[in-house]
Amino acid sequence: SYELTQPPSVSVSPGQTASITCSGDKLGDKYACWYQQKPGQSPMLVIYQDSKRPSGIPERFSGSNSGNTATLTISGTQAMDEADYYCQAWDSSTVVFGGGSKLTVL
Amino acid sequence: QVQLVQSGAEVKKPGASVKVSCKASGYTFTSYDINWVRQATGQGLEWMGWMNPNSGNTGYAQKFQGRVTMTRNTSINTTYMELSSLRSEDTAVYYCARVVRLTNNAGYTSGYYPDSWGQGTLVTVSS
Repeated sequence: SYELTQPPSVSVSPGQTASITCSGDKLGDKYACWYQQKPGQSPMLVIYQDSKRPSGIPERFSGSNSGNTATLTISGTQAMDEADYYCQAWDSSTVVFGGGSKLTVL
Repeated sequence: QVQLVQSGAEVKKPGASVKVSCKASGYTFTSYDINWVRQATGQGLEWMGWMNPNSGNTGYAQKFQGRVTMTRNTSINTTYMELSSLRSEDTAVYYCARVVRLTNNAGYTSGYYPDSWGQGTLVTVSS
């Protein structure tokens, strides 16, 4: 079965750029999306179709996907961005999630 | 706006079944698949399967085959997820989510992702 691998944790200083990676076999041939989840809340879509932002998502969130790696980039990271982030792709009629990355803003 | 409202928390004994509902509003119910995803405390997201509210067709993750059933009632814009033979490891928050399906020029699915989520339903399995 298809697998997506994320780093368990990523740390960033306020105002700096955070990058969270998601690796999978030929992931660049699929569409990747990203979800933000804060404690006690439902996941929220922040990036879809590799690099598109839903309405209401700040411009500091961006995405890319090439080769075997998709990347979520948060520019000018704010304290409110501290959350768990999950990547997702579609493979063989199955929704696949990465294991999640905890972003700490310190 | 799109809203998915789920039923309330449940406490079940091992071996029992649970049925969680998800009522949709703010869009055409039959135009989007609904998926179910669960999350155990402190763990990641686990996909359970999909349902097409228009046709009633379903597809389940291999892990849940034989234990999960997804149904719908189009007259009240509601989908249901029933999980049977519950065990302690099924204790989790269960989410329904509306899904966007992308198709290529040949008509094949090229992308498939949840874009709106319900508030979650905590199911606790305990003797």
